[in-house]
Amino acid sequence: AQKVTQAQTEISVVEKEDVTLDCVYETRDTTYYLFWYKQPPSGELVFLIRRNSFDEQNEISGRYSWNFQKSTSSFNFTITASQVVDSAVYFCALSAPLGLSSNTGKLIFGQGTTLQVKP
Amino acid sequence: DSGVTQTPKHLITATGQRVTLRCSPRSGDLSVYWYQQSLDQGLQFLIQYYNGEERAKGNILERFSAQQFPDLHSELNLSSLELGDSALYFCASSAEGQRNSPLHFGNGTRLTVT
Repeated sequence: AQKVTQAQTEISVVEKEDVTLDCVYETRDTTYYLFWYKQPPSGELVFLIRRNSFDEQNEISGRYSWNFQKSTSSFNFTITASQVVDSAVYFCALSAPLGLSSNTGKLIFGQGTTLQVKP
Repeated sequence: DSGVTQTPKHLITATGQRVTLRCSPRSGDLSVYWYQQSLDQGLQFLIQYYNGEERAKGNILERFSAQQFPDLHSELNLSSLELGDSALYFCASSAEGQRNSPLHFGNGTRLTVT
């Protein structure tokens, strides 16, 4: 069964600290896609990154970096030198499996990790 | 700004009533998704439409229905509302509606059933 687990419910850090958000997934698919979304206090969901299962290269975008390890079914997200504006709920998501139904872009989300960055 | 527009932003209604949530996808996107976000269930997929046709269905209640119109906007209809239907309802859109397409979410409609 498809499943995404974000074991950390809440994390609190002080500004400028580095923080890593964990994501572990389960799937039987050999090809799949992983995503991270950010939900700030204003409520919208903001797309951050997409990775496919064949690309295990780590990715860095400014203060954000992602570590994809297929061997441990993990797709962790690190924020370097955190800032107050990083305070949000972060969701990891997995693409739905290919099955008898049409190829669909529906996502299976984890429960989210609430990150609080204190000044 | 994701380019996905949802109206209204807030909706307060009574149990037993019916409401319609509206979504306009990003320009050029053919696929629309509806998600429900509640404290106990998290983000749950409801339904997907692609170019007017239903493509995938999730845990959508029989009291709920959706459609996508020829101009690609979508509506989610919720009827016989119950207190437990109170949630944030998101619409998202993507270009191809397939597994590698990132979803771009609107700001959501917060529904409160009293």
